[in-house]
Parts: sequence; structure tokens; C-alpha cells
Amino acid sequence: GDSVTQMEGPVTLSEEAFLTINCTYTATGYPSLFWYVQYPGEGLQLLLKATKADDKGSNKGFEATYRKETTSFHLEKGSVQVSDSAVYFCALSENGQNFVFGPGTRLSVLP
Amino acid sequence: DTGVSQDPRHKITKRGQNVTFRCDPISEHNRLYWYRQTLGQGPEFLTYFQNEAQLEKSRLLSDRFSAERPKGSFSTLEIQRTEQGDSAMYLCASSLEGGSRETQYFGPGTRLLVL
Repeated sequence: GDSVTQMEGPVTLSEEAFLTINCTYTATGYPSLFWYVQYPGEGLQLLLKATKADDKGSNKGFEATYRKETTSFHLEKGSVQVSDSAVYFCALSENGQNFVFGPGTRLSVLP
Repeated sequence: DTGVSQDPRHKITKRGQNVTFRCDPISEHNRLYWYRQTLGQGPEFLTYFQNEAQLEKSRLLSDRFSAERPKGSFSTLEIQRTEQGDSAMYLCASSLEGGSRETQYFGPGTRLLVL
């Protein structure tokens, strides 16, 4: 079945550092790819998404590019802030219904 | 619109008791999903409704679990004869069929602790 693998956390960075969180997937078809973020005490929020190969999703300074050849959707941000501290989930959906999530990566940004 | 809401936010119960959770989706969304999330893991799909019809159930959903969406609006998830292994965060999400390639919007979750 479909699956999502993320780099293990926690990831601890200093403010203004560069962030990369790796995500790779396996899917039988051609999925849409998503990054969700969960801030402390809150529900999951959609951060960005991409629906076809070479699409780049972006939001709040975060970016991720759908790489079909490497089955990857790595999350990047050029300069992280303390307020970016959260858990980040990579996810896929083949049919818009059944979502498969990765285990999440906890990011802590220190001032 | 206030987003997806869930009630209660926290529930503590004794093993063997029944519990029921409620989810109110975004009003115009016709699809509703239930997930379970345990500590350190991502959400795991449990079941999904389109309007009032329950279209898919995960193998994770044992016969002690039942979900309903009687009028195609709010949904309830009931767990009968709770076990300690049922302790988790139960998440509800909703989406609009065909909209924005089916982005799901999540509620804050109900955290269940079975003693």
C-alpha cells in the first residue's frame, strides 16, 4: 500500500537557519502531496500542496517541489523563526479521499 | 465560517465504558473523515463519509467502533467497551468534493484517555 517516510526528529535549529525536512513516498498511482503543520495545542493545518510532477507548493516562506523521479517532496525554508516551532507532517492522497500521513517531524527553533 | 469543531476536547474514561465523540464539519463540506493519532505518529485513517453514506472503513476500525452521519452534517464516533489501547487523539476532517483537489481541513481533535 501507499506510505510516507519522513526524516526523524526532533530537529533543533537556531533562528534564521535554513530548514530541510525530507519526505519520500511510495504510491501505486499518481498522488497529490501535502505538508501539514501542527502547532502546539492546535489541530493540523494545511501548509502547502502540489498536485503534479514539478509543481512547487509554497506558503509562509516554506516551499516543496513534487519530484516524481525521486518520489520526494522535501520541505524547505530559507530562514526559520521561533514561531515555526511545530510538528510537520508529509502526506499523500491518490484519490482525494484516503490520506496517508508520515509520522511527523518535530521542529524546535531557538532564539 | 468557524472551521471544523469537535466535542469534547478531552475525555477520560474507565476501561469497559462507552464513549461518543462529535464532529461538526465546515458547513458546505460534503465529505467527512475520522482519523486516530497516537503519540509520535501521524494520523491514521479510520473511516470516511460522503454526505450521509459511510463509503470506506479502515481495518483499524474494529467492531467496537461505529460512526454515523445521519443527516449528512455532523458525525459521531462511538467506541464501545473501551480498552487502554484506544487511548489516542481522534481527529475529524472535512472536505468539499472536487474542491481544491480535495484539501482536508482538520478539527482540533478529541483526546481520549482510557484508564
